[in-house]
Amino acid sequence: AQSVAQPEDQVNVAEGNPLTVKCTYSVSGNPYLFWYVQYPNRGLQFLLKYITGDNLVKGSYGFEAEFNKSQTSFHLKKPSALVSDSALYFCAVRPHYGNNRKLIWGLGTSLAVNP
Amino acid sequence: DAGITQSPRYKITETGRQVTLMCHQTWSHSYMFWYRQDLGHGLRLIYYSAAADITDKGEVPDGYVVSRSKTENFPLTLESATRSQTSVYFCASSDPGQGYEKLFFGSGTQLSVL
Repeated sequence: AQSVAQPEDQVNVAEGNPLTVKCTYSVSGNPYLFWYVQYPNRGLQFLLKYITGDNLVKGSYGFEAEFNKSQTSFHLKKPSALVSDSALYFCAVRPHYGNNRKLIWGLGTSLAVNP
Repeated sequence: DAGITQSPRYKITETGRQVTLMCHQTWSHSYMFWYRQDLGHGLRLIYYSAAADITDKGEVPDGYVVSRSKTENFPLTLESATRSQTSVYFCASSDPGQGYEKLFFGSGTQLSVL
């Protein structure tokens, strides 16, 4: 079965330190990969996507993500965390093949950035 | 204001009652979606629509009905609410021209079924 895993329910980092939120996937073919962020009491917001090309993708708010095909991972990163980055982060995948336009979502990782 | 709006923001109802959650978008995006968000389950797709008068089931469609007579509106109806439908419901839209998977979400409706 196709799936997305976010192995950490919660990630804690100190402000100014680099952060990584992990995502691995199990999908056939070459998938499209996405990160979304959800601030408290808000809907999700698109951060970035990987379709093809450079394995390092840059997105909104200084975030970037690295696609690693051999490890089937798409980890979200930021060089220097801000307290305002504290939120829930979701990884999502769309299989490349077929007419299925449904995204497969991870369960989310809660990021807490401590001052 | 332009964007995607959901109403009501909060709703409390009783089991067996019919409830309709509203979703309106001003971008004329062709795709619209309904998700529910539950602890431990993440986001689950209920229904989606590729255009007016075209709808299709997602992962968890049972107990829900949708319609899309106009591009901008995509209401979700719980025909006979059950406690298991207590959840936060999100409507989203997307435009294939910007990338089908770049979803724009509303702020959600928190529904409690007592």
